[in-house]
Amino acid sequence: RKEVEQDPGPFNVPEGATVAFNCTYSNSASQSFFWYRQDCRKEPKLLMSVYSSGNEDGRFTAQLNRASQYISLLIRDSKLSDSATYLCVVNPGYSTLTFGKGTMLLVSP
Amino acid sequence: GAGVSQTPSNKVTEKGKYVELRCDPISGHTALYWYRQSLGQGPEFLIYFQGTGAADDSGLPNDRFFAVRPEGSVSTLKIQRTERGDSAVYLCASSSGPETGTQYFGPGTRLLVL
Repeated sequence: RKEVEQDPGPFNVPEGATVAFNCTYSNSASQSFFWYRQDCRKEPKLLMSVYSSGNEDGRFTAQLNRASQYISLLIRDSKLSDSATYLCVVNPGYSTLTFGKGTMLLVSP
Repeated sequence: GAGVSQTPSNKVTEKGKYVELRCDPISGHTALYWYRQSLGQGPEFLIYFQGTGAADDSGLPNDRFFAVRPEGSVSTLKIQRTERGDSAVYLCASSSGPETGTQYFGPGTRLLVL
């Protein structure tokens, strides 16, 4: 089983739609969790951290379920500029990060 | 302010050659990381430096790969006897300390081994 698993997509949605991505991780000792965004041929950039209590940043909401080892990202009112690959990222308890393969989102007019 | 920079941005080499990839982290960042990203995959950890020392090199695939950070700032990833399977984007990231999950990535070096 891979350490971090994501549906690679692509998810094709119209502008204004709500879309949700999910991710599972295998290491129950993992300490912290993140969503990174990566545009085509660009470097990954931190989108948001993920907490058990859930956290929201504008149109983006992230949620962590430690019992199920499951992380989610919800994007409301999708914009064309949201088109990118979304990487689920886990800190397994030491200083490195473990990345999923990413989920591609394509938002169309 | 200046972000993480990497040179060269692209490198084409022949199988069996030696290459060096350079990373200049954000000023003051003590932690530096190297990752490798193949097409359709997420970044894969290679090595992590805290200061001048390699704190974790468990991701280096074999002894052809080596990295240094002699003065605790700039780092060089060195690949000997390159193979076609080494072709990938090599990403460098830095952070202000080992406990932060916020790593700032450079634009990467695209390595193509012919």
